[in-house]
Amino acid sequence: AQSVTQLGSHVSVSEGALVLLRCNYSSSVPPYLFWYVQYPNQGLQLLLKYTTGATLVKGINGFEAEFKKSETSFHLTKPSAHMSDAAEYFCAVSQLSGYSTLTFGKGTMLLVSP
Amino acid sequence: DTAVSQTPKYLVTQMGNDKSIKCEQNLGHDTMYWYKQDSKKFLKIMFSYNNKELIINETVPNRFSPKSPDKAHLNLHINSLELGDSAVYFCASSQVAGGPTDTQYFGPGTRLTVL
Repeated sequence: AQSVTQLGSHVSVSEGALVLLRCNYSSSVPPYLFWYVQYPNQGLQLLLKYTTGATLVKGINGFEAEFKKSETSFHLTKPSAHMSDAAEYFCAVSQLSGYSTLTFGKGTMLLVSP
Repeated sequence: DTAVSQTPKYLVTQMGNDKSIKCEQNLGHDTMYWYKQDSKKFLKIMFSYNNKELIINETVPNRFSPKSPDKAHLNLHINSLELGDSAVYFCASSQVAGGPTDTQYFGPGTRLTVL
């Protein structure tokens, strides 16, 4: 069975600092990988996803993530944090065939201080 | 226009009651989902429908019954509500094929509180 581990339930950064949110997956074969963001009192919104091809994936709002098969990781980064980035971030994996079935990690709350 | 909408946004009810949550999407998607987000923000799939047909049914108590009158709507009915049902319930939809690389679009959530 697939699973996702997000290291750190909370990450605090200063405005302008690098954002790094960690995600490791467990799967017998490389799965499809997603990052979703949840702003307070809202639903989830896709930031980016890795399916095939280039391992460095660029998403919305300046975020990017790199799929590293050897490390079974898909960490999310942003060079410079904005106050508006404060939200809950979820890493998810999808099975390789059939219908879309997302398995989510437990989420990481990103806190941005001025 | 809201892509995926849910009603109500908040639902407070007593143990033992029966309640329904409605979901509608105007994206033309064929596949819809219900997720439960617990108090620790953990999200778990409950059900998935493709073109009104149930395709995913995780280990959810049979007090929960989804109904899809058409492919734009997926409602969730809960019988005999229990304290442990308190959570935020999210509806989502994905594109026509409903394949594993599809982006899922989420509604704003319904916060259910069982007293």
